Amino acid sequence: DVKVTQSSRYLVKRTGEKVFLECVQDMDHENMFWYRQDPGLGLRLIYFSYDVKMKEKGDIPEGYSVSREKKERFSLILESASTNQTSMYLCASRPPRGARSNQPQHFGDGTRLSIL
Amino acid sequence: AQSVTQLDSHVSVSEGTPVLLRCNYSSSYSPSLFWYVQHPNKGLQLLLKYTSAATLVKGINGFEAEFKKSETSFHLTKPSAHMSDAAEYFCVVSDPWSSASKIIFGSGTRLSIRP
Repeated sequence: DVKVTQSSRYLVKRTGEKVFLECVQDMDHENMFWYRQDPGLGLRLIYFSYDVKMKEKGDIPEGYSVSREKKERFSLILESASTNQTSMYLCASRPPRGARSNQPQHFGDGTRLSIL
Repeated sequence: AQSVTQLDSHVSVSEGTPVLLRCNYSSSYSPSLFWYVQHPNKGLQLLLKYTSAATLVKGINGFEAEFKKSETSFHLTKPSAHMSDAAEYFCVVSDPWSSASKIIFGSGTRLSIRP
């Protein structure tokens, strides 16, 4: 079974801090994703990465950056945290597009981040 | 362009009765379709997937879904609800040849189970 592990389940940070959310997958998947989930807004894609050092902006990249130095690890960075970034953050991975991309995404358990 | 619509934001059923969660999609391609379940403060777990092999798809925990191309629907059903089925359910459509931005999530249906 694919395992996607997010480093923290709950995190509390202060406005202006630089925040790192870490995600590790153990299935050698090329594609990795960061979403945020807010009541009434569903899941929104922040960034995704289709290979090491490769990334693409999603729907709401403002205020975020990402790092993919190793295939198994995808980090989300809040450069200067603000209260409107309080949310549930979900990481996912899956094989690359193509014949195997009828494979589903596999999700971590999420990080509930509060910015005070 | 792809889209997915979950027709009910909240469904409430009694334990032991059937469950129907409705999903309609729009896609220019032959899509892949998925249903996920999310329990409180957890990530999304795959229930089942449709990838053109068979129109009736069986998933985990007794759930199944039928792909109806003529109706552009992929409704999720279960013959008999259990208290543990109470959760949020998401219908997802994707084009397997597209980038991640073409993975479209429905807005979710919250399923409540009455004792």
